[in-house]
Amino acid sequence: EAQVTQNPRYLITVTGKKLTVTCSQNMNHEYMSWYRQDPGLGLRQIYYSMNVEVTDKGDVPEGYKVSRKEKRNFPLILESPSPNQTSLYFCASRNWDRGSDTHGYTFGSGTRLTVV
Amino acid sequence: KNQVEQSPQSLIILEGKNCTLQCNYTVSPFSNLRWYKQDTGRGPVSLTIMTFSENTKSNGRYTATLDADTKQSSLHITASQLSDSASYICVVSAVPGGYNKLIFGAGTRLAVHP
Repeated sequence: EAQVTQNPRYLITVTGKKLTVTCSQNMNHEYMSWYRQDPGLGLRQIYYSMNVEVTDKGDVPEGYKVSRKEKRNFPLILESPSPNQTSLYFCASRNWDRGSDTHGYTFGSGTRLTVV
Repeated sequence: KNQVEQSPQSLIILEGKNCTLQCNYTVSPFSNLRWYKQDTGRGPVSLTIMTFSENTKSNGRYTATLDADTKQSSLHITASQLSDSASYICVVSAVPGGYNKLIFGAGTRLAVHP
């Protein structure tokens, strides 16, 4: 089944303790992206990657890192989490076609992170 | 500033009734507009996608419309079912071709009651 898999689904951690949220897709998609979703706001992009070893900042990158060493994986790293990073996080992927922007995005099921 | 605004914020309807959700956007340059359904605790799932030249698109009981002149879109749900209870998110893509930037609305939370 074509899917984007995120782990863990739920995570409670303490301020300053480094954590990684994993994201893996099995569709051979070039493009992957991380979003956070907060109450009353639309999803906001954290980082994206257009292919292996190519990553760039989205709208809210502060406090986050990413890497894209393999096509299928795009982990989100919080080096020193803070309470304002408490949020619902989604990873998404899609095919990359420069001539077309109508490919659908596949989203993971989300990771609910609480930083205390 | 690129923005997508949705109304209403929340809506309660009875099973079997129809409803219409609204989306207004100020995004330029416009590439396409998407509607997603997001069940509680799950990731968004695509319902429809419309480009500039399309003004209506259906997916089962879901029908989306687009008026590119007034920068408005609507999602009409016909004969609602309990499983339609979810958030519906309007998403506008800001750049034609190449790398596109998605601008997400905050969503409309729909509750369908028996």
